[in-house]
Amino acid sequence: AQSVAQPEDQVNVAEGNPLTVKCTYSVSGNPYLFWYVQYPNRGLQFLLKYITGDNLVKGSYGFEAEFNKSQTSFHLKKPSALVSDSALYFCAVRDSPHTNAGKSTFGDGTTLTVKP
Amino acid sequence: EAQVTQNPRYLITVTGKKLTVTCSQNMNHEYMSWYRQDPGLGLRQIYYSMNVEVTDKGDVPEGYKVSRKEKRNFPLILESPSPNQTSLYFCASRGGANTEAFFGQGTRLTVV
Repeated sequence: AQSVAQPEDQVNVAEGNPLTVKCTYSVSGNPYLFWYVQYPNRGLQFLLKYITGDNLVKGSYGFEAEFNKSQTSFHLKKPSALVSDSALYFCAVRDSPHTNAGKSTFGDGTTLTVKP
Repeated sequence: EAQVTQNPRYLITVTGKKLTVTCSQNMNHEYMSWYRQDPGLGLRQIYYSMNVEVTDKGDVPEGYKVSRKEKRNFPLILESPSPNQTSLYFCASRGGANTEAFFGQGTRLTVV
């Protein structure tokens, strides 16, 4: 079975400060990890993914995430937050393709608020 | 433009009245999924399909049906809707096992 945990319902940061949104996962094989963002009244948009290779992945809008296998984590980061980054962020995991390629598991979401 | 299109965007219906939410993608993706989003529960996968005529249950399939007769379409069917199916529904598609998903704009369903 696969699972994802986003331990913080809400993250508040000041504009210009670094931000971190946490995600931990559990899979039986090798993980495929994703971050998505959802703005109000919109569908989810892809930010970045880790499939294999370099543990630090860079994505859209200046976001990056670090895959840490020993801690089973994939935290989303940005060096300098913008007010426009305020949104709902979802971490998602898929197990290695030989088990069940169709199944995806999402976390409960973290609301990021960036204050001016 | 690459997109996933859901219809309708908003729907209010009564308990027990069968309904279908359509989903169509124009990217020739093999994988398609339906999710429901509820406050505090994140996104939960209802059903998914890995190709035409290949579907499987997700985490919350009870009360829902799907079909995949064509690659581009993946309708969600509620045979007898109940109030606990009031939710925000998203359809998504992706091209492969390690690719990201493209999401539709969502369908807000209210069952009274």
